[in-house]
Amino acid sequence: DTAVSQTPKYLVTQMGNDKSIKCEQNLGHDTMYWYKQDSKKFLKIMFSYNNKELIINETVPNRFSPKSPDKAHLNLHINSLELGDSAVYFCASSQDWGVAGYTFGSGTRLTVV
Amino acid sequence: DAKTTQPTSMDCAEGRAANLPCNHSTISGNEYVYWYRQIHSQGPQYIIHGLKNNETNEMASLIITEDRKSSTLILPHATLRDTAVYYCIVRVEGGGADGLTFGKGTHLIIQP
Repeated sequence: DTAVSQTPKYLVTQMGNDKSIKCEQNLGHDTMYWYKQDSKKFLKIMFSYNNKELIINETVPNRFSPKSPDKAHLNLHINSLELGDSAVYFCASSQDWGVAGYTFGSGTRLTVV
Repeated sequence: DAKTTQPTSMDCAEGRAANLPCNHSTISGNEYVYWYRQIHSQGPQYIIHGLKNNETNEMASLIITEDRKSSTLILPHATLRDTAVYYCIVRVEGGGADGLTFGKGTHLIIQP
């Protein structure tokens, strides 16, 4: 009964393709996030979203777009994939914008070839 | 958010207490100290947080100095499963939409 679940766990795709990563949380949290962890292991926030507001990290290319069909889901769409997009992507959720209550998913390892 | 400084790596023998230091000399009065950890190939996991008093939960203890410029996370009886990267984060509670800022953390290796 995973609290924050991501699919797929692994994704290998060619440059130029468009792909999506799905995220679902069953915690009843109001806010969801996407983080990227690159090869140097730095974790950086990409998006924060609740039902009122989307906050985008200004360094994220507009090829990346979050889509939230409802409060429990925040999917990540990536267009025109590039080699540099290869990373592990983590979804997370929290109640409001809380810090202590962050729950992370197990990650999606994206490899662009 | 205030910046934190942690050692890059530490070793600890299994069964002993692991003490992980963190410096946060520019911490503001309303900022909390949070600890998360990331076990290999998993998402980060919340451990504990505190403002100025020492805190303890089922996972760890957090000791914050009186001037709040540094803190120590204590894992009282480390096991091999505690091998992970530990992140010390300073932030106001409720923090805002720009999420957690993770530094490089401390890679704690528990030796059998």
